Amino acid sequence: ETGVTQSPTHLIKTRGQQVTLRCSSQSGHNTVSWYQQALGQGPQFIFQYYREEENGRGNFPPRFSGLQFPNYSSELNVNALELVDSALYLCASSLPGVDTQYFGPGTRLTVL
Amino acid sequence: GENVEQHPSTLSVQEGDSAVIKCTYSDSASNYFPWYKQELGKRPQLIIDIRSNVGEKKDQRIAVTLNKTAKHFSLHITETQPEDSAVYFCAASKTGGGADGLTFGKGTHLIIQP
Repeated sequence: ETGVTQSPTHLIKTRGQQVTLRCSSQSGHNTVSWYQQALGQGPQFIFQYYREEENGRGNFPPRFSGLQFPNYSSELNVNALELVDSALYLCASSLPGVDTQYFGPGTRLTVL
Repeated sequence: GENVEQHPSTLSVQEGDSAVIKCTYSDSASNYFPWYKQELGKRPQLIIDIRSNVGEKKDQRIAVTLNKTAKHFSLHITETQPEDSAVYFCAASKTGGGADGLTFGKGTHLIIQP
């Protein structure tokens, strides 16, 4: 069974740029959630995708957007990057209707 | 929305002793409470979870208790070992399948002293 994978591992961007992060869900998991983890904090829920549609969203502005593809992989897009967007971005996959979420290793984004 | 408070922020125990981490939540509709362990530079790993229809759950040296009335839940680790050193996060959610996402506490840095 393949676990959750994310790419890239690290990324450096400048303010105002746009970034795309990628996630491949665990085998058989068709629900993907994205979280932002600032240094020294717990993860914060950004949104969840199920059946290629946004299924739930946390308190993040519209410049955070996502996609899910037919193979269940997902992208997180962030426009107009700000310094405060520097964080570890985690995706987690789960089976539909099941609470348990399994996390990927994360993408470390640094905004300069 | 849901708010999860976690204490203590740092916990140092002697190897072989027990460790207890406590969390409180605000939304009485929350019904799923997982605990994650995150080692430095690694992904959060689920170590145990509990649902609101259960008061206690054990898995070897790890146990979780839930008090729905008081809206708090705790992680208990017995016979601590050096590999237990990590940051532990509690979380809560109120929908089956997590469409509202997990709300995490700020984490507890557990240090096992040799």
